Amino acid sequence: DGGITQSPKYLFRKEGQNVTLSCEQNLNHDAMYWYRQDPGQGLRLIYYSQIVNDFQKGDIAEGYSVSREKKESFPLTVTSAQKNPTAFYLCASTESRGTGGAGANVLTFGAGSRLTVL
Amino acid sequence: AQKVTQAQTEISVVEKEDVTLDCVYETRDTTYYLFWYKQPPSGELVFLIRRNSFDEQNEISGRYSWNFQKSTSSFNFTITASQVVDSAVYFCALVDFGGATNKLIFGTGTLLAVQP
Repeated sequence: DGGITQSPKYLFRKEGQNVTLSCEQNLNHDAMYWYRQDPGQGLRLIYYSQIVNDFQKGDIAEGYSVSREKKESFPLTVTSAQKNPTAFYLCASTESRGTGGAGANVLTFGAGSRLTVL
Repeated sequence: AQKVTQAQTEISVVEKEDVTLDCVYETRDTTYYLFWYKQPPSGELVFLIRRNSFDEQNEISGRYSWNFQKSTSSFNFTITASQVVDSAVYFCALVDFGGATNKLIFGTGTLLAVQP
């Protein structure tokens, strides 16, 4: 079945360490997104990519980095520069074409990764 | 600026009650899309509905119905005869067409707890 796989589901990090969250999709979607979810704050966009080898910052990109070397993969690195990294991270994907472009299309989400800084 | 407000942080109902989740949005665009997503305890968001700004017809899908009113900038979601399986966080979202990104702007979500 097609879908998005995020790993690991739970991750613990010591302060000062970088960690990378994996996101893989087999939906042949062009666009991929990373969101951060905190209690009471909804979902906030970290980075997005509409095509391989290209990505843009979202609303809260500071302290994060991404790469898009393959269409099916969009890993997110949480760097030591991120001051408050404890959160639930969601990856999503969609097709880029269609009326209104990628944003107007329905997003498919992964099951998320919960990062806790010790 | 584009914004989505879900004023109800948490709602608790007893099974079989009807419940309405409110969503109010702000946008300067005349063309926009509105969404509802469900987030069960497993974590992934599940798509429920998409509505564009030119289609104000209400929609019904089984026990779910949506009331879109441009005059009040609202896109409310009603669950009829709620069930325990409806317990989840529900997000309303708006597509921001400002710029080339067409980004989704989410509300803060409403946690619905349906008690047996």
